[in-house]
Amino acid sequence: AQTVTQSQPEMSVQEAETVTLSCTYDTSESNYYLFWYKQPPSRQMILVIRQEAYKQQNATENRFSVNFQKAAKSFSLKISDSQLGDTAMYFCAFMKHFSPRGGSQGNLIFGKGTKLSVKP
Amino acid sequence: EPEVTQTPSHQVTQMGQEVILRCVPISNHLYFYWYRQILGQKVEFLVSFYNNEISEKSEIFDDQFSVERPDGSNFTLKIRSTKLEDSAMYFCASSAHPSFATDTQYFGPGTRLTVL
Repeated sequence: AQTVTQSQPEMSVQEAETVTLSCTYDTSESNYYLFWYKQPPSRQMILVIRQEAYKQQNATENRFSVNFQKAAKSFSLKISDSQLGDTAMYFCAFMKHFSPRGGSQGNLIFGKGTKLSVKP
Repeated sequence: EPEVTQTPSHQVTQMGQEVILRCVPISNHLYFYWYRQILGQKVEFLVSFYNNEISEKSEIFDDQFSVERPDGSNFTLKIRSTKLEDSAMYFCASSAHPSFATDTQYFGPGTRLTVL
């Protein structure tokens, strides 16, 4: 079974600074996807960034980037130029490659989350 | 931008009562999911649904749970006889097709279920 571990329950960062959130996962799969979702106080889950395991290049999305280390099974999220609106819970999630014949149907496996506070 | 919607936003019920949580997925999506998040805990997968049938379910999704897509737009989660431990935030999600490399699951805003 796959597991996702986020070892930092809470973090804080000053506005405009950079912060890195850690995530490790365990799987025997070779083909999979990794995600970071943001959950602000409104509690809606919002996709921040995704990474395909077969891609060596780290994904970036504006101020958000990942450091994907496949051999180490590590998938950290870096937030540059932190803004007050980045304050939220951040969840790392894993998804096996889709398999229509009795395998994964695309369900996400989440870590416990990291609560990020951006301070003015 | 299209979005997943869920109703109600908050449901309060008595233990043993039946509840139905409703979701309207994004219109051209084919795969639908329910997840649950007990307060302070991680989000947990409950069930996935495709082509009018359950395609995968977790251990949490026991006989008291059921899902259906009654009219081609709504996607519902029914809990037959609620227990105190069913109190949680329930998220609906949908995706176009998870086999697509660029596919993404879009989540609704959630329904907070409180069982008294």
